[in-house]
Amino acid sequence: DAGVTQSPTHLIKTRGQHVTLRCSPISGHKSVSWYQQVLGQGPQFIFQYYEKEERGRGNFPDRFSARQFPNYSSELNVNALLLGDSALYLCASSPGTGGRGGTDTQYFGPGTRLTVL
Amino acid sequence: AQSVTQLDSQVPVFEEAPVELRCNYSSSVSVYLFWYVQYPNQGLQLLLKYLSGSTLVKGINGFEAEFNKSQTSFHLRKPSVHISDTAEYFCAVSGMNFNKFYFGSGTKLNVKP
Repeated sequence: DAGVTQSPTHLIKTRGQHVTLRCSPISGHKSVSWYQQVLGQGPQFIFQYYEKEERGRGNFPDRFSARQFPNYSSELNVNALLLGDSALYLCASSPGTGGRGGTDTQYFGPGTRLTVL
Repeated sequence: AQSVTQLDSQVPVFEEAPVELRCNYSSSVSVYLFWYVQYPNQGLQLLLKYLSGSTLVKGINGFEAEFNKSQTSFHLRKPSVHISDTAEYFCAVSGMNFNKFYFGSGTKLNVKP
């Protein structure tokens, strides 16, 4: 089975621009989470979606938004890019439990490396 | 909210020696615990997880970890490391109702010949 896929693999943008990152979960997985990993740090949680609804949000500004589509793929959008947004953006998928207890192991994609100049 | 502290940012070790990577967590509720490994320019790969049951958890590549509730620790161990184990290792915690993971800052394991 294919794992989590992300596109593009690398991206270079300038300050003030907008970017869209894409993620396709493992087949059968209904939950997608997004993380930002700045060089030298651990991943920081941005969003989690389940069945097209937002289930969790980290401490990120409103410039960051996301959505999940009926096929469970997801997009992360970042507006008005800042130099500090340069990072590896990771997508993780999990089977999803509908929020009723239990937790799902998260499986990560290879990430999208975003460089903001 | 939960948080994770990885006490060592870098751990150098010789090939075939044992290694322990330390992880402590903070939480007011019950949690699930995970160890992930990240090779250069790659995403994270799950090594092992503790959800319930036996506190000694065995994972892939010969790694194991022990959950210690009283010390709020989840240290990762391997009795004999290989050059190929050189990577960065992340400890993570998740609450039982959400899929929001909190990661530590990572430990770089450098295995020397």
